[in-house]
Amino acid sequence: KNEVEQSPQNLTAQEGEFITINCSYSVGISALHWLQQHPGGGIVSLFMLSSGKKKHGRLIATINIQEKHSSLHITASHPRDSAVYICAVRSPRDDKIIFGKGTRLHILP
Amino acid sequence: GAGVSQTPSNKVTEKGKYVELRCDPISGHTALYWYRQSLGQGPEFLIYFQGTGAADDSGLPNDRFFAVRPEGSVSTLKIQRTERGDSAVYLCASSLETGNNEQFFGPGTRLTVL
Repeated sequence: KNEVEQSPQNLTAQEGEFITINCSYSVGISALHWLQQHPGGGIVSLFMLSSGKKKHGRLIATINIQEKHSSLHITASHPRDSAVYICAVRSPRDDKIIFGKGTRLHILP
Repeated sequence: GAGVSQTPSNKVTEKGKYVELRCDPISGHTALYWYRQSLGQGPEFLIYFQGTGAADDSGLPNDRFFAVRPEGSVSTLKIQRTERGDSAVYLCASSLETGNNEQFFGPGTRLTVL
């Protein structure tokens, strides 16, 4: 079992829909990251959080430390949101980042 | 530019050849990370540098892989006797320091070993 699990693996939705991507992890963490990866490989950091909730534009990230779970939400989704969204956790023990396999999101116009 | 850059963007080589992949971190970032991402997978840690020294190289898969950062800025990932299984996107990231600092990723180098 992977230390970081994401669901769903693939998600196709219509423009305007509310999107939720989930991340569960099984290790202790010092921080959790949500990353966006567009075709071609470039990765952009969306959020880094260790508790509570963060919001940036149409993106919202939440984390529940007790349940070892985080969600990334996209409101009013748009075709340009189509990308792979990766959840990654940082280990407090050795500072390494462990990545999930990513969720491939496709927003149809 | 202000971001992390990697060269080349694509590299095609033959099995058994030697390759070097270069990463230019953001100026002033002391921590530099190398990751490998195989198709359909998330990135996997290879090695990270704090300054000039490799602070943790436990992710390097075997002794064909080596990385240097001689002046604490640019880093080169070196792969000897490449194998088809080395084909992947090699990602570099840098951050101000280690610890809970945001990592900024480069665009990656797509390595294909024929």
